[in-house]
Amino acid sequence: EDQVTQSPEALRLQEGESSSLNCSYTVSGLRGLFWYRQDPGKGPEFLFTLYSAGEEKEKERLKATLTKKESFLHITAPKPEDSATYLCAVQETSGSRLTFGEGTQLTVNP
Amino acid sequence: GAVVSQHPSWVICKSGTSVKIECRSLDFQATTMFWYRQFPKQSLMLMATSNEGSKATYEQGVEKDKFLINHASLTLSTLTVTSAHPEDSSFYICSARDRGGGELFFGEGSRLTVL
Repeated sequence: EDQVTQSPEALRLQEGESSSLNCSYTVSGLRGLFWYRQDPGKGPEFLFTLYSAGEEKEKERLKATLTKKESFLHITAPKPEDSATYLCAVQETSGSRLTFGEGTQLTVNP
Repeated sequence: GAVVSQHPSWVICKSGTSVKIECRSLDFQATTMFWYRQFPKQSLMLMATSNEGSKATYEQGVEKDKFLINHASLTLSTLTVTSAHPEDSSFYICSARDRGGGELFFGEGSRLTVL
């Protein structure tokens, strides 16, 4: 059974204080690892898909990396508007469904 | 990115009534749509997978007679919560994958409150 564990559960940063969120996963065969951002009362917003170990993707202040066991979402010089819950999900090669982690709730204080 | 629209965004109903939630892919054709349920401060729990023109596949523990899913076209899936009870109150989110099998895009969610 696929497992996705995100840490920390919650993270509070000061504006400009860079940090990383972790997503550890166990899957029989990885088709893709996905990062989403979710604001309160909203559906998840797609950020990145990573397909193979060593792959990296960037978007503004966010950078996602992937190894065979985990993914990191690096946030560089965050701003208050980056406050949200960040969700990680994996899709195995044999299926179409995504398995989500519990998310990391990020708060960036001005 | 692709747009998935959900309607209504919130609904309040009396216990025992049925509620229908629509999920539309606006600018792409979705052969597969997924329905999730999310409780406060928890992650998304997959309820069912629906493929256009065929019966939905429900996850273990999800009552198929209570949560009716119809995927009648490549751009529309509906979730009907039948004989709703207060414990059905939750945030329901749909998602859709385009025919190319790429990223999964989510709707804005529908908050159901059953009195």
